[in-house]
Amino acid sequence: GAGVSQTPSNKVTEKGKYVELRCDPISGHTALYWYRQSLGQGPEFLIYFQGTGAADDSGLPNDRFFAVRPEGSVSTLKIQRTERGDSAVYLCASSSSVAGGTYNEQFFGPGTRLTVL
Amino acid sequence: SQKIEQNSEALNIQEGKTATLTCNYTNYSPAYLQWYRQDPGRGPVFLLLIRENEKEKRKERLKVTFDTTLKQSLFHITASQPADSATYLCARGPTGRRALTFGSGTRLQVQP
Repeated sequence: GAGVSQTPSNKVTEKGKYVELRCDPISGHTALYWYRQSLGQGPEFLIYFQGTGAADDSGLPNDRFFAVRPEGSVSTLKIQRTERGDSAVYLCASSSSVAGGTYNEQFFGPGTRLTVL
Repeated sequence: SQKIEQNSEALNIQEGKTATLTCNYTNYSPAYLQWYRQDPGRGPVFLLLIRENEKEKRKERLKVTFDTTLKQSLFHITASQPADSATYLCARGPTGRRALTFGSGTRLQVQP
């Protein structure tokens, strides 16, 4: 596609429920990132994939959060036993991989607004 | 931990003036800094990247500086327009890790 897409755009759930958020990166981008953004704050890093593997998951707040990218393209962020504090906008970004490079710009999707009641 | 600090107060300027936004970082200098623009309800959009060994970078009406002595980056928009009104985010990316650490952003409002 032309850009990074995320579905759903909005998700309202009840405390304790399980949710899945989907990200479709730009075709050909091997790097994929998940961030979480609260109101008035900048995006906060959650997890980074290079291909199918999670290269860095140090930003995941606890074991209720998990993400997969089984075929190296689409990624799903999974949140178990949701809590009200999980309410935020979840952003996905992708970037191309340059050999030895760490300076690539990231292309962000519009985000999924998660509300936990 | 490595932090990015941006002025949380909104910046209001008159159309045609130059807007200057500040980004300060802690501890060691990052390999690079990136600047993004974010409009309400949208994801950030990349604007400029400046490396540690570069003092200044320009793109059209935008200019970014990187001062490793002051541990600071300045982002300038010259001849500002109401369409430049948005939140501007500064982010650092240390070598070897591809995830960005963002500041909280500064909201710019350009009055016609």
